[in-house]
Amino acid sequence: GDSVTQMEGPVTLSEEAFLTINCTYTATGYPSLFWYVQYPGEGLQLLLKATKADDKGSNKGFEATYRKETTSFHLEKGSVQVSDSAVYFCALSDKTSGSRLTFGEGTQLTVNP
Amino acid sequence: DAGVIQSPRHEVTEMGQEVTLRCKPISGHDYLFWYRQTMMRGLELLIYFNNNVPIDDSGMPEDRFSAKMPNASFSTLKIQPSEPRDSAVYFCASRQTGTGGNSPLHFGNGTRLTVT
Repeated sequence: GDSVTQMEGPVTLSEEAFLTINCTYTATGYPSLFWYVQYPGEGLQLLLKATKADDKGSNKGFEATYRKETTSFHLEKGSVQVSDSAVYFCALSDKTSGSRLTFGEGTQLTVNP
Repeated sequence: DAGVIQSPRHEVTEMGQEVTLRCKPISGHDYLFWYRQTMMRGLELLIYFNNNVPIDDSGMPEDRFSAKMPNASFSTLKIQPSEPRDSAVYFCASRQTGTGGNSPLHFGNGTRLTVT
């Protein structure tokens, strides 16, 4: 079945540092890939998505490129801010999984000033 | 766009009591999902509906849990009787059918349930 594997957290960075959160997936079809972010006390929010190979999703300075050859969708940001502190979830959806999303376990990011 | 609305935001109850969580999905969305989030288990899918019909309830932990969707704008998740191990944050999410599975989920802000 489908699965998503994220790098283990927590991740702690200083402000303006470069961020990478690794995400790899296993899927039988051609999935759509998503990154969600969860701020304290809130629900998950869509951060970005990519629907086909080599697509790059981007939002709020975050980027992720759909790499079919390595089955990866790593999240990157060139310069993180304290306000980026949150939990980040990688997820996939494809036709074989119906309409559900398969989520990774989440990666806690803390950015210190 | 009001987003997915959940109520209550917080619920504290005693073991054995009935608990009802409520959700109003985004208008026009035809899928509704209930998730549970804990530190130990992470994010778990409990059940989901399509056009008000339950499609997969295999994630519902046991018979104490039940969910209904009487119409397109309202769903409930009920726990009866509640137990301390049910303490978690429960999220409702909705989604509109998209081509190729590329439409995102929209989450509510969750209900934090504490069972003492």
